[in-house]
Amino acid sequence: GDSVTQMEGPVTLSEEAFLTINCTYTATGYPSLFWYVQYPGEGLQLLLKATKADDKGSNKGFEATYRKETTSFHLEKGSVQVSDSAVYFCALSDVLTTDSWGKFQFGAGTQVVVTP
Amino acid sequence: DARVTQTPRHKVTEMGQEVTMRCQPILGHNTVFWYRQTMMQGLELLAYFRNRAPLDDSGMPKDRFSAEMPDATLATLKIQPSEPRDSAVYFCASGLVRSGMNTGELFFGEGSRLTVL
Repeated sequence: GDSVTQMEGPVTLSEEAFLTINCTYTATGYPSLFWYVQYPGEGLQLLLKATKADDKGSNKGFEATYRKETTSFHLEKGSVQVSDSAVYFCALSDVLTTDSWGKFQFGAGTQVVVTP
Repeated sequence: DARVTQTPRHKVTEMGQEVTMRCQPILGHNTVFWYRQTMMQGLELLAYFRNRAPLDDSGMPKDRFSAEMPDATLATLKIQPSEPRDSAVYFCASGLVRSGMNTGELFFGEGSRLTVL
């Protein structure tokens, strides 16, 4: 079945450092790919998404490009802030088939800790 | 500011007791999900509904868990009897699917943290 693998955390880095979180996926169809973020004590919220190959999703300085050839959707940010400390989840879902929409496959999550 | 509301935020109970968690999805959303989050298993999909009808509850232990949507503004998840291994954070999420338009975005509540002693 469909699955998502992302790098384990925690990832600890200093403010203004470059952040990369690797994510690869396995899917039989043509899924949409997502990054969700979870701040302490809160639910997940959508950070960015890409619906087809070569699409780039971006939001709040974060970017990720849907690479079909490498089945990857790595998350990057050029200069992190302390407020970016959170758990980041890579996910996929077949949103083209409405009957199955919502059956997201989430990665295990990567905790990011940014220190001043 | 529209948001998914879950109650209770925290629940501590003893093994064998019934637990009911409630969720108010965002008004107008037609799809509701229940997820469970633990350190060991991560996020697991328990059940989801479209227009109040259950579409998939294969991730839910049927002998003790049940999920319903009595109306469009309320989703419930019940555990009876509860066991220590049910201790987790339970999230409700909602979304909107319309013919020809599907954002693929889930809106999560803040979760119900359940501890079963």
